[in-house]
Amino acid sequence: SQQGEEDPQALSIQEGENATMNCSYKTSINNLQWYRQNSGRGLVHLILIRSNEREKHSGRLRVTLDTSKKSSSLLITASRAADTASYFCATDEDSGNTPLVFGKGTRLSVIA
Amino acid sequence: NAGVMQNPRHLVRRRGQEARLRCSPMKGHSHVYWYRQLPEEGLKFMVYLQKENIIDESGMPKERFSAEFPKEGPSILRIQQVVRGDSAAYFCASSPRQGLIAFFGQGTRLTVV
Repeated sequence: SQQGEEDPQALSIQEGENATMNCSYKTSINNLQWYRQNSGRGLVHLILIRSNEREKHSGRLRVTLDTSKKSSSLLITASRAADTASYFCATDEDSGNTPLVFGKGTRLSVIA
Repeated sequence: NAGVMQNPRHLVRRRGQEARLRCSPMKGHSHVYWYRQLPEEGLKFMVYLQKENIIDESGMPKERFSAEFPKEGPSILRIQQVVRGDSAAYFCASSPRQGLIAFFGQGTRLTVV
């Protein structure tokens, strides 16, 4: 079953605006990762945040993690048309040898 | 260091044929994961392998699907007697160990006609 659930399912914004995507999960985790997928392509890793971290930055990306609420958010600041893609969160459960479990993703459209 | 290599990128099979999807992990990576993605959907976990061992195959259909990761050579996902519902993109990812970043290949798009 899916662990991460992204919200919203789809998001459309103007270039220059910020985009915020949320992810909720169900079990205890070791870390949470965000990936990006351009249409018809593979997934590209964006950022990993560990369960003992609350916030992490990478360029225009800001990720937060709230383990008490079992949720994470991905903020893309000053969005560009090239940010148009699907964004997925993936969790690494804290229960031994488990694979990354992905949500259904948020489809972001940035309009120039 | 080449990334995760999957081939073929596109595969067309008639119903009832066999499909073989190959995945060469990144150098030094001994953990391989296979995922399936239907159009407009997320990735669904199928199977997790380490060299010569299947660690978790809870996402793999019990029939017609099998996976291996031999000591030498790529990981293979094999689908026997394909049906139209098997049409999807199949992605492979590798990591040096569990819990670290998984690097994905570009996927194999299987079309069953």
